[in-house]
Amino acid sequence: GEDVEQSLFLSVREGDSSVINCTYTDSSSTYLYWYKQEPGAGLQLLTYIFSNMDMKQDQRLTVLLNKKDKHLSLRIADTQTGDSAIYFCAVSAVSSGSARQLTFGSGTQLTVLP
Amino acid sequence: DTGVSQNPRHKITKRGQNVTFRCDPISEHNRLYWYRQTLGQGPEFLTYFQNEAQLEKSRLLSDRFSAERPKGSFSTLEIQRTEQGDSAMYLCASSAGFVNEQFFGPGTRLTVL
Repeated sequence: GEDVEQSLFLSVREGDSSVINCTYTDSSSTYLYWYKQEPGAGLQLLTYIFSNMDMKQDQRLTVLLNKKDKHLSLRIADTQTGDSAIYFCAVSAVSSGSARQLTFGSGTQLTVLP
Repeated sequence: DTGVSQNPRHKITKRGQNVTFRCDPISEHNRLYWYRQTLGQGPEFLTYFQNEAQLEKSRLLSDRFSAERPKGSFSTLEIQRTEQGDSAMYLCASSAGFVNEQFFGPGTRLTVL
């Protein structure tokens, strides 16, 4: 089945850019998503990218997809203290059938230092 | 607020008791998912409904777990004879359309004593 890997922790200074990385195994992954989870809150969908795209930009967020290496990244420009949270990469693959359920990584804890 | 809602937000129960959780999806969404999240992990898929039909349930963790969506609107997840290992956050998500963006509720945190 699909496996999604993320590094566990990332610390950046306020105002710097953050880059959160993710790798996945199923080459049939069609949509790839980034979610944000703050303490005590549910998962917030940030953005997604379709597998026929290399890049997607949405305000301060830039998603890069390298299909050859099965590597996905999320760049947050001008990182603020309010961006401190756990960020999850999730993929949906053709192999998951009609359910198209998401397979999540373990999450990256982003800490923004003042 | 027209987001996904879940009730209760917290549930504490004793081992061996049955529990039931409710999810109300976004009203126009025909797809509904249940996930489980344990500490330090990402959500793990449990089951999927399209309208009232449960089309995927092979990932339910054991036969103690069951889910329903009787009229294609709200859904319930029941755990019978709870065990301490069932302690987790249970998340519901709903979606519609080709992109299948799944919107999550706040979750129900289950603690089994």
